[in-house]
Amino acid sequence: DAKTTQPPSMDCAEGRAANLPCNHSTISGNEYVYWYRQIHSQGPQYIIHGLKNNETNEMASLIITEDRKSSTLILPHATLRDTAVYYCIVLNDMRFGAGTRLTVKP
Amino acid sequence: GAGVSQSPSNKVTEKGKDVELRCDPISGHTALYWYRQSLGQGLEFLIYFQGNSAPDKSGLPSDRFSAERTGGSVSTLTIQRTQQEDSAVYLCASSLATGRANEKLFFGSGTQLSVL
Repeated sequence: DAKTTQPPSMDCAEGRAANLPCNHSTISGNEYVYWYRQIHSQGPQYIIHGLKNNETNEMASLIITEDRKSSTLILPHATLRDTAVYYCIVLNDMRFGAGTRLTVKP
Repeated sequence: GAGVSQSPSNKVTEKGKDVELRCDPISGHTALYWYRQSLGQGLEFLIYFQGNSAPDKSGLPSDRFSAERTGGSVSTLTIQRTQQEDSAVYLCASSLATGRANEKLFFGSGTQLSVL
């Protein structure tokens, strides 16, 4: 089983921030958190990863709690093309859970 | 190559036949992963290669499934005596896996397997 848990689905209004949570309470000290997304019928695409500090790139921001037991992926201005399944995984355990199906609505 | 290449992109077979699925990872990537995704489901881990060795093959669903990797590059996933429940998209991914701090996975487009 995957070491992460995520809500099965979320909706977001176009142009608003999408905040996708992930719990990884059994994460160990040297394990990174990685986020991927899968748009229908394509292979998953890397978004961002982090260890303990918050990270930002051109796609998203990643907020990791101080105890590292959870994290949040933030898409600051969601567009319709961000509709996808978002997966959070922990390094050393490349097992994907069911992910969160994000639907961005006009 | 520029990305992870999988072949064939689509495979239709009859129940009971054997199939081979091929994955050509990004050049220089030492880690290679196979996943299976049934319709509407998440990714199911099958097997992980580091070089030619498979330290984790715990996800293979039965002894009908096997995989090998040669020359630290191309990998083949073989399914013997296919069953209808084997129908799925089989995805391959590779990564640099340097010091396990750079495990960004690059995925291929997958092989859609249909068992009739």
